[in-house]
Amino acid sequence: GQQVMQIPQYQHVQEGEDFTTYCNSSTTLSNIQWYKQRPGGHPVFLIQLVKSGEVKKQKRLTFQFGEAKKNSSLHITATQTTDVGTYFCAGFQGGKLIFGQGTELSVKP
Amino acid sequence: DAGITQSPRYKITETGRQVTLMCHQTWSHSYMFWYRQDLGHGLRLIYYSAAADITDKGEVPDGYVVSRSKTENFPLTLESATRSQTSVYFCASSAIIGGLSGYTFGSGTRLTVV
Repeated sequence: GQQVMQIPQYQHVQEGEDFTTYCNSSTTLSNIQWYKQRPGGHPVFLIQLVKSGEVKKQKRLTFQFGEAKKNSSLHITATQTTDVGTYFCAGFQGGKLIFGQGTELSVKP
Repeated sequence: DAGITQSPRYKITETGRQVTLMCHQTWSHSYMFWYRQDLGHGLRLIYYSAAADITDKGEVPDGYVVSRSKTENFPLTLESATRSQTSVYFCASSAIIGGLSGYTFGSGTRLTVV
């Protein structure tokens, strides 16, 4: 079945540094979604990418969908302590949303 | 998100007991889902439902039972709880699959099986 792999598992940064998490699928994805989960909280939808090569921005967050629609990335510029949490990518297969393992981001002030 | 609620928030049960986790949404979303979250595994889909009386298995359905007699409710039952089912369980809903608003998750139920 489809696997969605996400790296790194953990990332520790100093406040102000940039952060990137990568998502790779074993199969072509129709679309990909990104979620953020704060410590002790629940996943919250951030964005969906549909088109090959698509790039979307939300303030300091930049999301990319690969040309082959098998990989995606989330880049945060100049991290802040409010960015702390776990970031998940998720891809659809057969109507089911399959999540990656997530990247846990910690930010040292 | 007050529109999707899970109960209880915390539950401790003994091995072999039956336990039901509740999920209720007020948006009349067609789709509802149950995920479990464990360290190192992210979120894994247990069961999902496309509408009332329509359910289907996800990635890890063994040991779980679901029903959906009403659109707004999607309870998850562990028929005979095992320690390996200790986890955080999230319910989610969505109006459509692949929609631009994504899935909306409940606050979760932390289940401990002793």
